[in-house]
Amino acid sequence: GENVEQHPSTLSVQEGDSAVIKCTYSDSASNYFPWYKQELGKGPQLIIDIRSNVGEKKDQRIAVTLNKTAKHFSLHITETQPEDSAVYFCAASFGAGSYQLTFGKGTKLSVIP
Amino acid sequence: GAVVSQHPSRVICKSGTSVKIECRSLDFQATTMFWYRQFPKQSLMLMATSNEGSKATYEQGVEKDKFLINHASLTLSTLTVTSAHPEDSSFYICSASGGGMETQYFGPGTRLLVL
Repeated sequence: GENVEQHPSTLSVQEGDSAVIKCTYSDSASNYFPWYKQELGKGPQLIIDIRSNVGEKKDQRIAVTLNKTAKHFSLHITETQPEDSAVYFCAASFGAGSYQLTFGKGTKLSVIP
Repeated sequence: GAVVSQHPSRVICKSGTSVKIECRSLDFQATTMFWYRQFPKQSLMLMATSNEGSKATYEQGVEKDKFLINHASLTLSTLTVTSAHPEDSSFYICSASGGGMETQYFGPGTRLLVL
């Protein structure tokens, strides 16, 4: 089955700096890669996703890049703000069928004011 | 759009009792709903996948007689933890997808504490 590795497990940045979280996946058939933000005591919130026919996607301060050959994808957050502090999860799925997601172990991002 | 609600948000029960958690998609038809369990500082662990009108598919190691899942309509799925024990205490989260899209939208989670 699919295996998703996520790094780093914790990340501290100064407010205004950029943050990058990286994930690798094992199943070359995976074709959908969402990123979720989870605040303490809450459910995960979808922040951006990318499909395998696209190499990069951007939404304001958030961007995701995908390298299908290397089987890795990354989340980029620019101009970080204290409210970006949360746990971020990457995930991968094979789109046809049950659409089950395989999650990474998460990255705890702390933005220091 | 794509709002998923869960009820209750937290529940405390005595050991041996059963607890029902509801998951609703408020503004879309959820053909597939997922149930996850999350321990502190850990990732989400998929428990089961349910399609509307069908029996749920459980992940390996998840007792289907203990965690009863019903997905009777396109907007509602329920998870019943039967004969709950302290080791069942956890954060339970549902997600929903629909319209042939793979995007999963998550509910806010239910904190279960079994005494």
